[in-house]
Amino acid sequence: DAGVTQSPTHLIKTRGQHVTLRCSPISGHKSVSWYQQVLGQGPQFIFQYYEKEERGRGNFPDRFSARQFPNYSSELNVNALLLGDSALYLCASSQTSGGATTQYFGPGTRLLVL
Amino acid sequence: QKEVEQNSGPLSVPEGAIASLNCTYSDRGSQSFFWYRQYSGKSPELIMSIYSNGDKEDGRFTAQLNKASQYVSLLIRDSQPSDSATYLCAVIPGGTSYGKLTFGQGTILTVHP
Repeated sequence: DAGVTQSPTHLIKTRGQHVTLRCSPISGHKSVSWYQQVLGQGPQFIFQYYEKEERGRGNFPDRFSARQFPNYSSELNVNALLLGDSALYLCASSQTSGGATTQYFGPGTRLLVL
Repeated sequence: QKEVEQNSGPLSVPEGAIASLNCTYSDRGSQSFFWYRQYSGKSPELIMSIYSNGDKEDGRFTAQLNKASQYVSLLIRDSQPSDSATYLCAVIPGGTSYGKLTFGQGTILTVHP
């Protein structure tokens, strides 16, 4: 079975530009979460979507937005890019079984803002 | 106080030794706890999940949870050079969506031959 997929794998943008990152969850998973990981730190939660509805939002500015599609894939959009947005962006899909939830991460998109 | 804190690294152990990684969390309502391994340049990979007090063993890995002390640890027995990676402790805080993981800053582990 295919795992979580993300595209693109790498991206270079300049300040002020906009970027769209894409994620496809594991087949059967209805929840997608987005994280930002800067070098040397643990991932920081950005958003969670379940059944196309936002279920959680982290402490990120309104420049960050996301959505989930009927096939459960998701997009993360970042407007007006800043140098500090350079990071690894991770998508994770989740399943809950017996009250326990497990998140599996995709390979990530490495964004560099110049 | 950070929500999830891990013992400062880097941690270096000889091959065959036991590596001990520690993590404390601030939210007493937390119910779900995870250890992820992240190789340089790669994404986090789930190693262990634990939900109840006590020990949980999976091969060379043992996770330990003590909710009263708000403490979770990971022991790696018979450490191998291939275990060299950053280990991330993650928690789902109480009262939050199950899709929100809160991570520690990670502990870099090096296993030397």
